[in-house]
Formats: sequence, structure tokens, C-alpha cells
Amino acid sequence: DAKTTQPNSMESNEEEPVHLPCNHSTISGTDYIHWYRQLPSQGPEYVIHGLTSNVNNRMASLAIAEDRKSSTLILHRATLRDAAVYYCFSWSNFGNEKLTFGTGTRLTIIP
Amino acid sequence: SAVISQKPSRDICQRGTSLTIQCQVDSQVTMMFWYRQQPGQSLTLIATANQGSEATYESGFVIDKFPISRPNLTFSTLTVSNMSPEDSSIYLCSARTGMNTEAFFGQGTRLTVV
Repeated sequence: DAKTTQPNSMESNEEEPVHLPCNHSTISGTDYIHWYRQLPSQGPEYVIHGLTSNVNNRMASLAIAEDRKSSTLILHRATLRDAAVYYCFSWSNFGNEKLTFGTGTRLTIIP
Repeated sequence: SAVISQKPSRDICQRGTSLTIQCQVDSQVTMMFWYRQQPGQSLTLIATANQGSEATYESGFVIDKFPISRPNLTFSTLTVSNMSPEDSSIYLCSARTGMNTEAFFGQGTRLTVV
């Protein structure tokens, strides 16, 4: 998977929106952008993925830049349960690529 | 989707012994992986568990230390051999069900070597 860069940490107030950025400037044309998160003492869990268009699901929204070199994970109304480490990846959906974790962004939610 | 169960969830082991961790998926998956996560760190991929053949290890990990089995499409084991305190970590199993799918993770096995 192509290299991604994320801020090491972010803070947000509870019940406010959170925008988590990710740069993936070397992404190839067919690679999808995936986001996962790891809650304390749990294994990582899938959050969302997309290719070119913005995506929404019950957990979050994914905004993808027009040039696809960056994306933003949006939590519309952060709760304490959203405190986690968030990882973004650019990953082929058609190969058997392993998932290689970077350092991710540790999100702290302030009550 | 796939649900992954890992056993044991935690263990405390004596140095020099071995521990086998089991990973069971509730559906057939194409890819299975094993990760290690040391305290406060990100996940490091140990190997890809290949069904019916030898696992593919990442740099820094060897079969003698981390033998892996994958006898079928739903089950894999990771053995941590001849353990030392440096092996104290969380070990996680992951699986992918095929094209256009996300990866799923077990809850991890917290290993402490004393």
C-alpha cells in the first residue's frame, strides 16, 4: 500500500465535528482509500472506504480531494466512544495486499 | 462481514516456553494475517498465513520463532516459540474475505512473558 501521512494526535470537544486529515500523495489510480480505527484494548475496526466520490455511512463520512492525494475522515458529532487511534491507508481492492499500519492519529475527545 | 475469535485472550507464560494462539473466522476468507502490537505502538505485520502452504514472513520475523499454520479457509494458529520478556505484546489475527472488502481483526491475545 502507498505511504500515507497523518498527524500524530488531535483533540476535539465532545459533540462537535472532527476532521481527521490524511495525505496519500503517491496513491495509484485504482487504489481505494480506507480508514480504520482502534479503540482502547480492542483490535482495529473498519470505518469507511472510497475511491473518488465522497462516501457516507453510519459511522463517518469520507471526503476525498479531487486529485485524490488527500482525504479527510469526518466524524459529524464526536462522542467519548470515538476516542481511538485512526489509521488511513491507500489500498488495492483487487489484489491480495497486506495492510501495513502507520502510526495513525490518536484522537482525544474532551468532555 | 466476518467475525474473528482469538484464543486465548491473554496469558502469562514462563520464558523459554511456547504459546500457540488460535484464530477462528466464522466464514471462509481468502487472506489471513498475524500482527504484533507492542505497548503504545502501532501494529506490525508478522506474516501472511497461506492456506495449505508455508506462511510468508515479513522482514525481522522467522518461521522458527513464529511458526504459523493455516489448515483451512477459516482457521490459523500462531506459535510464539522459546519466549523471552521481549515477546510480551498483543498478537492480533486479521482476515480479508476477498475482492472489494475490508479487513477484519480479532480482539487480540495479550501475552506477558515472565
